[in-house]
Amino acid sequence: GENVEQHPSTLSVQEGDSAVIKCTYSDSASNYFPWYKQELGKRPQLIIDIRSNVGEKKDQRIAVTLNKTAKHFSLHITETQPEDSAVYFCAAYSGGGADGLTFGKGTHLIIQP
Amino acid sequence: DTGVSQNPRHKITKRGQNVTFRCDPISEHNRLYWYRQTLGQGPEFLTYFQNEAQLEKSRLLSDRFSAERPKGSFSTLEIQRTEQGDSAMYLCASSSLDRGLNYEQYFGPGTRLTVT
Repeated sequence: GENVEQHPSTLSVQEGDSAVIKCTYSDSASNYFPWYKQELGKRPQLIIDIRSNVGEKKDQRIAVTLNKTAKHFSLHITETQPEDSAVYFCAAYSGGGADGLTFGKGTHLIIQP
Repeated sequence: DTGVSQNPRHKITKRGQNVTFRCDPISEHNRLYWYRQTLGQGPEFLTYFQNEAQLEKSRLLSDRFSAERPKGSFSTLEIQRTEQGDSAMYLCASSSLDRGLNYEQYFGPGTRLTVT
């Protein structure tokens, strides 16, 4: 089955700086890669996603890049703000009878004022 | 609120008791997923439904777990003879098989189960 590794587990950045979270996946059949933000005690919220036929996608301050050859994808947050503090999860989806998302273990992003 | 809803939000039960959780997906979504999340971990896939058909079950779903979606709308997850290791957040998500946009999953707030 699919295996998703996520790094780092904790990331502390100064407000206004950029943050990068990286994930690798094992199943070359995976074709969809979402990122979720989860604040303490709340539901995971889909913030951005990318499909395997695209190399990069941006939405305001966040962007995701995908390298299919290397089987890794990254989340980039620019001009970080205090409300960006949360746990971020990457996930991979391969479908084909295994229709659940496989999640990484999460990155706790801390924005220092 | 037109998002995914779950009830109850919290459940405390004694070991050996049965518990049942309910999930109401976004109304036009025909796919419904159950995940389990423990502290410090990402959600782990348990099972999913397309309409009323249960199409996939994870190895994590032991024989004590059963899920139903009888009319293709809400779903229930039952755990029989609960064990302390069942303590976790149980999350439901839904998605729509529509125009190829069938990958985006939206989560409910979860049911936190504590087995004492």
